[in-house]
Amino acid sequence: AQSVTQLGSHVSVSEGALVLLRCNYSSSVPPYLFWYVQYPNQGLQLLLKYTSAATLVKGINGFEAEFKKSETSFHLTKPSAHMSDAAEYFCAVSLYQGGKLIFGQGTELSVKP
Amino acid sequence: GAVVSQHPSWVICKSGTSVKIECRSLDFQATTMFWYRQFPKQSLMLMATSNEGSKATYEQGVEKDKFLINHASLTLSTLTVTSAHPEDSSFYICSARVGVRGAGNQPQHFGDGTRLSIL
Repeated sequence: AQSVTQLGSHVSVSEGALVLLRCNYSSSVPPYLFWYVQYPNQGLQLLLKYTSAATLVKGINGFEAEFKKSETSFHLTKPSAHMSDAAEYFCAVSLYQGGKLIFGQGTELSVKP
Repeated sequence: GAVVSQHPSWVICKSGTSVKIECRSLDFQATTMFWYRQFPKQSLMLMATSNEGSKATYEQGVEKDKFLINHASLTLSTLTVTSAHPEDSSFYICSARVGVRGAGNQPQHFGDGTRLSIL
């Protein structure tokens, strides 16, 4: 069985500060991992994905994530937060890239001016 | 590319009525679409996997007679909430996987969701 745990349901940073959103996964097989962003009353937009290639994955909007097998983690980072980054972020795992997704609980990111 | 459109974006209806939500892949074909449900401030829960030309696969605990899914073409899947009640109020999101059969290595692309409110 696969599962995802996102540490912290709410993270608040100042504009220009580092963004770190934590995600730990559990999977009996090599996982495919994803980060999605959701703005209010909208669907999900794919930020980045890990598909067993490079462990450091770069995504859109300046986000990146590093797959660490030893820590079963896939944390999302961005060096400098922007006001437009305020949204809900979901980490997800699947058995393969197009397979059904198991989502974490979500982390709401707030960015203070 | 890979745009998924959901319609309607918001619907309010009386208890006891049936509501149909459409999910369309606008610029690609998708043999597989997924339907998710999201409660306020919560994560997405997969309801069912919709396969073109065959029956949907429902997740445990989802009433298939309550949530009817039809995937009649490679670009359209519909979710019908039958005899809707206030507890069915939620945000419903669909996703579509690019490609035809065997395209399991393609990611899902999400629609913008449908907010359903049952009075």
